[in-house]
Parts: sequence; C-alpha cells; structure tokens
Amino acid sequence: QVQLVQSGAEVKKPGASVNVSCKASGYTFTSYAVHWVRQAPGQRLEWMGWINAGNGGTKYSQKFQGRVTITRDTSASTAYMEVRSLRSEDTAVYFCARDRSMADWGQGTLVTVSS
Amino acid sequence: DIQMTQSPSSLSASVGDRVTISCRASQGINNDLAWFQQKPGKAPKSLIHAASSLQSGVPSKFSGSGSGTDFTLTISSLQPEDFATYYCQQYNTYPITFGQGTQLEIK
Repeated sequence: QVQLVQSGAEVKKPGASVNVSCKASGYTFTSYAVHWVRQAPGQRLEWMGWINAGNGGTKYSQKFQGRVTITRDTSASTAYMEVRSLRSEDTAVYFCARDRSMADWGQGTLVTVSS
Repeated sequence: DIQMTQSPSSLSASVGDRVTISCRASQGINNDLAWFQQKPGKAPKSLIHAASSLQSGVPSKFSGSGSGTDFTLTISSLQPEDFATYYCQQYNTYPITFGQGTQLEIK
C-alpha cells in the first residue's frame, strides 16, 4: 500500500532553516508528483508547492517563492522541503501528499519556531 | 488566487442524520475539486476527487456533486466516526487552494 513517512518534529529559532523529508513506498516514486501543504494551529490547509518526482521540476506558491525549496532523491524515493528564514508564523504541521488530487498523505511534521 | 468558501463553517447533527456541506469557488474550476476529512492531530483523508469520484476504500455514504463554481458534499447516515472537519480543495489553477473547513459536531 502507498505510504508517505515524514521526518520527526523540529524546534527552530527565528531565522533558522528546517528540512523536512517525505519517504515514499508502495508505488513508483518517479511517476507521481509530491505536494507540500502546511497547517498552522487552528488554520486552514495551505498549499506550498510541488515537485515532479520524475524530472525534478518544481512550482511554488508565490507566498513561499524564494524561501522554500523542494527537492527529491529518486534513489531514496524521498522528497525534501527546506524552509529558510523561519519566523514564528511558520509554526505549523507540514504535510507531504502524493499527486495533485492528494489521495495519500504523510503523517505530518510539526515545526515549532520559537526563540 | 481562487478563493474557496465553505458553508456552513460549523454544523451540529445527530447520529443517523444526512448532512450537506457546500463549497463555492471564486471562479470556475470545471470539476477539479476534492473533499477531505480531517480529525484532530491527523493528516487529512481524501474522500472525493474530480467533484464526484469516490476515492478507493471510501464508503458510498459520502457523495459529491457540482461543477463550475458550486459544489456539495453529502454524508448520509452519520456515524460517530464521521464527526470531523471537512475541507474542499480546488486543483484547477495554481496555487491550489482550500476552503476554510466545516466542523461537523455531534448534537
């Protein structure tokens, strides 16, 4: 069965960077996109960007352009998302999801930004 | 960006009830709409894609309809496990956007 397993919770100081991983199994990794979505406490889901796991092409929400980078390692069937220049408003649970219809999701990674 | 607006924002219902949640897009999105169920502390679960296609393994008590700008999610015969927050999502145009959520509570 399809599984997306994300890395563990992180606590970061303002201005730092965080890297969240999403390891895929149960399907051909390079045949599907991986999307990243975040959810701040009590807020709606917010799409951040996606990567074509086959060719590595990316697209980002304008809100995060320049501060977020999504990459992938096909040999490890893993996608990564780096968020730089963290601020308190970036405190959220970050999810990866497979494909545009997001039929499958990772379990989420809590990133806490606090001084 | 396409704005997605759900109504109501919260809803109280009883076990066995049938409920309907509405979602309106600020511009036409064809049928590029999905519905998700989310429980506290959990990842969203995909219920429906392409406005009315049930995801594999999702019970037929969930149904979706609509096209263009107006969509609905109907849940029949509510069971305790159905009480959760429901989100609509458009994937017609980037950035992908979500509704604000509808919290379905037990009456």
